[in-house]
Amino acid sequence: DTGVSQDPRHKITKRGQNVTFRCDPISEHNRLYWYRQTLGQGPEFLTYFQNEAQLEKSRLLSDRFSAERPKGSFSTLEIQRTEQGDSAMYLCASSFGNSYEQYFGPGTRLTVT
Amino acid sequence: GENVEQHPSTLSVQEGDSAVIKCTYSDSASNYFPWYKQELGKRPQLIIDIRSNVGEKKDQRIAVTLNKTAKHFSLHITETQPEDSAVYFCAAADSGGSNYKLTFGKGTLLTVNP
Repeated sequence: DTGVSQDPRHKITKRGQNVTFRCDPISEHNRLYWYRQTLGQGPEFLTYFQNEAQLEKSRLLSDRFSAERPKGSFSTLEIQRTEQGDSAMYLCASSFGNSYEQYFGPGTRLTVT
Repeated sequence: GENVEQHPSTLSVQEGDSAVIKCTYSDSASNYFPWYKQELGKRPQLIIDIRSNVGEKKDQRIAVTLNKTAKHFSLHITETQPEDSAVYFCAAADSGGSNYKLTFGKGTLLTVNP
């Protein structure tokens, strides 16, 4: 499968714990996006990387959230001190060059108990 | 920032009928408008998109129209089939900063009844 992959697919954690998700974009896609989707809503932009540089982060994003893309390939999204309101589907998408088309991964469903 | 409104939130049609979903956007600088289909438990899948320099685009049974003056765009599905049942999302690309981040509508649950 040469599409965007994400790991894990599901994560259940207790409030206050830290979690980390991984995204592997389509090979050679230099742009990588993280979105969050809650039930009944469309995906909401969280952050954007071009190669290894994080160029934008949503103003709505708590400082408990951090993302990296150290070598311009895979990316990680970490949530520290999780809260019940963090429960959502976390989606990763990638695109190539100056193309607008974004291709999504299957997502990581986070449940905070 | 950009705001995208999508209507209706649910749509039920009979197999073979047409379905139309409408979206409006607020940022006149937006210039890319994709539509995604998301089946239950699956990833959003890009099904069609349109750039601001085009008024209409077709791909088999689906078409998208764009009215830049009114800042609205629509998805048209003809000859609907049960496998078209899914949640459809419209989106607009924020061209500021050249990051092409997408702002999504809240989605339309389309049900095609056999």
